Amino acid sequence: GNSVTQMEGPVTLSEEAFLTINCTYTATGYPSLFWYVQYPGEGLQLLLKATKADDKGSNKGFEATYRKETTSFHLEKGSVQVSDSAVYFCALSKMDSSYKLIFGSGTRLLVRP
Amino acid sequence: KAGVTQTPRYLIKTRGQQVTLSCSPISGHRSVSWYQQTPGQGLQFLFEYFSETQRNKGNFPGRFSGRQFSNSRSEMNVSTLELGDSALYLCASSLAGGYNSPLHFGNGTRLTVT
Repeated sequence: GNSVTQMEGPVTLSEEAFLTINCTYTATGYPSLFWYVQYPGEGLQLLLKATKADDKGSNKGFEATYRKETTSFHLEKGSVQVSDSAVYFCALSKMDSSYKLIFGSGTRLLVRP
Repeated sequence: KAGVTQTPRYLIKTRGQQVTLSCSPISGHRSVSWYQQTPGQGLQFLFEYFSETQRNKGNFPGRFSGRQFSNSRSEMNVSTLELGDSALYLCASSLAGGYNSPLHFGNGTRLTVT
């Protein structure tokens, strides 16, 4: 079946460090891929998305490239800030089950000043 | 534009009771989805509605039900509550659903079953 696997957290970084959060997926065909972020006490916010192979989604300094050959969608940011501390979720959606998102387990990021 | 509004924010119920959660989508959005978030199971899809019709349903028992009204507002109901139903219930809306449509989430309703 369709699934998303994320690296386990927490990921602890110092401010201005480089961030990578790994995400791989299992799905037939060509799913759409998303990164959502959840700040404490809030719902999820869409961070970025990519809908086809080699697409790069980007927003607020975060980037992720849809890699079909490695079934991956790793999240990166060149210089993290304390305000980036949150839980990050990778998710996929497929045309044949288009009305639901399948989420990874989430990765907590803690950025220290 | 107002975001997705969920009420109430917090609920405490006793095992065996039933509960109704409410969701008002972003104006103009016709698709409403519900997700359950727990530390053990993560985020799991409950169901999705569009124009008052359920289009997809997750793998949850029949105690979980929902509906959507003509103004796109949605409610979900859980009957005969169990301790394991304690969770954050998230509602999300999008213009029309579909696999490329990003979801806009509310802040959730935190349900505690004692």
